[in-house]
Amino acid sequence: GAGVSQSPSNKVTEKGKDVELRCDPISGHTALYWYRQRLGQGLEFLIYFQGNSAPDKSGLPSDRFSAERTGESVSTLTIQRTQQEDSAVYLCASTLTSGNNEQFFGPGTRLTVL
Amino acid sequence: SQQGEEDPQALSIQEGENATMNCSYKTSINNLQWYRQNSGRGLVHLILIRSNEREKHSGRLRVTLDTSKKSSSLLITASRAADTASYFCAAVDYKLSFGAGTTVTVRA
Repeated sequence: GAGVSQSPSNKVTEKGKDVELRCDPISGHTALYWYRQRLGQGLEFLIYFQGNSAPDKSGLPSDRFSAERTGESVSTLTIQRTQQEDSAVYLCASTLTSGNNEQFFGPGTRLTVL
Repeated sequence: SQQGEEDPQALSIQEGENATMNCSYKTSINNLQWYRQNSGRGLVHLILIRSNEREKHSGRLRVTLDTSKKSSSLLITASRAADTASYFCAAVDYKLSFGAGTTVTVRA
């Protein structure tokens, strides 16, 4: 079946612009996660959605970052007034119920802020 | 902040040799997971070991978990060129907290 998909695969933007990244999780997966991976580093947790519960936003680095998810489907991660330090690969993952299970990752969006 | 920390940072071995990497974490976990990342296939789940398990096998992979020491190890036996990748451990409460990874290079 289809895996997690993300779009765009690459995004180049100018400092100060807003960007929106999209994630389509695996159908039926109630939990959705966003992570950020800087070059040569591990993944940093950003935000977690579980069903209709309030999202866990504890990993968002600043108020320029926000994310939404409609029900148990698509999620968008928005970065406002982008900065050069926002350059990274943004990865989305979904799982059946919670992080106690294997997470299925999308291919990521590589964001470059000039 | 990263909770899982891998050691060594980089490892170079000959094809056919075994590769061992270690991971330490800081707080209580429900389980610990190992992932592999390479440019061709992105981030792929390898194995999950629950907090009440001590050892788990999957094909050429062997994972151990010592919750008293808050550490885990991943052994890849009879390595192949295709095993060249970065390996990450992820400590799991409800979200994954990754370390910086171990980069493994398998020489033909």
